[in-house]
Amino acid sequence: EIVLTQSPGTLSLSPGERATLSCRASQSVGTNFLAWYQHKPGQAPRLLIYGASSRATGIPDRFSGSGSGTDYTLTISRLEPEDFAVYYCQRYGSTPPTWTFGQGTKVEIK
Amino acid sequence: QVQLQESGPGLVKPSQTLSLTCTVSSGSISRDTDYWNWIRQPAGKGLEWIGRVSTSGSTNYNPSLKSRVTISVDRSKNQFSLTLRSVTAADTAVYYCVREKELLREFFYFYYMDVWGNGTTVIVSS
Repeated sequence: EIVLTQSPGTLSLSPGERATLSCRASQSVGTNFLAWYQHKPGQAPRLLIYGASSRATGIPDRFSGSGSGTDYTLTISRLEPEDFAVYYCQRYGSTPPTWTFGQGTKVEIK
Repeated sequence: QVQLQESGPGLVKPSQTLSLTCTVSSGSISRDTDYWNWIRQPAGKGLEWIGRVSTSGSTNYNPSLKSRVTISVDRSKNQFSLTLRSVTAADTAVYYCVREKELLREFFYFYYMDVWGNGTTVIVSS
């Protein structure tokens, strides 16, 4: 079973700063199977990035994803007030089909 | 734009069965490139995948829940459902129904969850 470990657990930043979130897999993950989501309290999670680096429809270009193999990164170039939330990476396993989430990184206002 | 809405009891007694339904609106549940998932989040914890069903009715489940879970699809009603048996307090959570897309692009398949319901809270308590 592949485990996704996100770091840091909490990131304290100010609006306008750059956020760099890490997702490390215990085994290699295909880039086409790695996604990132934003989750705010009381709301449904929102797809940000799929295929490790492709932005979902309507996602601002300040969000970017990168990585391959076991190491993936979500970068928010300049934090807007609405970006403070919890972020999850997610991996699709194809044999058999299963989904695994990281434990989340909370981006909070400093 | 496809929308999903969860429905079902908000309170279930321990050892009984949790049953939720997800209604798909503004779109069809019958597209071959779509899979229909249930995901939950206990209070203060992360997201946990429960399982999924395809349009044809084939299913995949989280191994940790497989013995207690059934997910089914009703194409005539544009709905899919979750049944979780023998619940305990550990099953108390917000339950989300979610659409998963399969995208073929440049000879590679991509999978992602692009439409989520608002979630419904289920409390297991006597």
